[in-house]
Amino acid sequence: GAVVSQHPSWVICKSGTSVKIECRSLDFQATTMFWYRQFPKQSLMLMATSNEGSKATYEQGVEKDKFLINHASLTLSTLTVTSAHPEDSSFYICSALNLAGKYFGPGTRLTVL
Amino acid sequence: RKEVEQDPGPFNVPEGATVAFNCTYSNSASQSFFWYRQDCRKEPKLLMSVYSSGNEDGRFTAQLNRASQYISLLIRDSKLSDSATYLCVVYGQNFVFGPGTRLSVLP
Repeated sequence: GAVVSQHPSWVICKSGTSVKIECRSLDFQATTMFWYRQFPKQSLMLMATSNEGSKATYEQGVEKDKFLINHASLTLSTLTVTSAHPEDSSFYICSALNLAGKYFGPGTRLTVL
Repeated sequence: RKEVEQDPGPFNVPEGATVAFNCTYSNSASQSFFWYRQDCRKEPKLLMSVYSSGNEDGRFTAQLNRASQYISLLIRDSKLSDSATYLCVVYGQNFVFGPGTRLSVLP
């Protein structure tokens, strides 16, 4: 099946720093990618839809100035968590869409101290 | 009412059992339906799409009832490796995930 990668797979940072997470579709082009957040024992929550060449569409309650999304190419979307705080600690997962379906990256575990 | 609802679980079944998961959705304009499987601390993986006529993949059978806005997943002859959380996903204007149903297959 299609492959989506994320980098880094886990990151620990100090409160107040910014963290960038990359999502790449390795063997297909994705005009649309999605960013999710998952807290322990909860389902995925869509944060935003990343569209190549245009602004991301954010879900209600998600601060666009805190979670910066850049979809610079058909194979790469980045999520930057700015001025991270401990409550931002979570599992961040991206997915990319092709005709066959939606494929997920392996996720990035962010821990903010 | 939530957009996508699933059996709350958890389901604890012995190996070899048949288990069925139910999912209901509220948006009648929904177009596509999927079942995903998520192992603990891992990303969800597409298990199967759900077609209007119903479809089968090995031990897994998916059914769709548009009139009742209901989807099901049947797992026959369950294996220990089937233990996971099963997510119902509905696509209308966006992909909406159900809360998931946890399955534990016991030896």
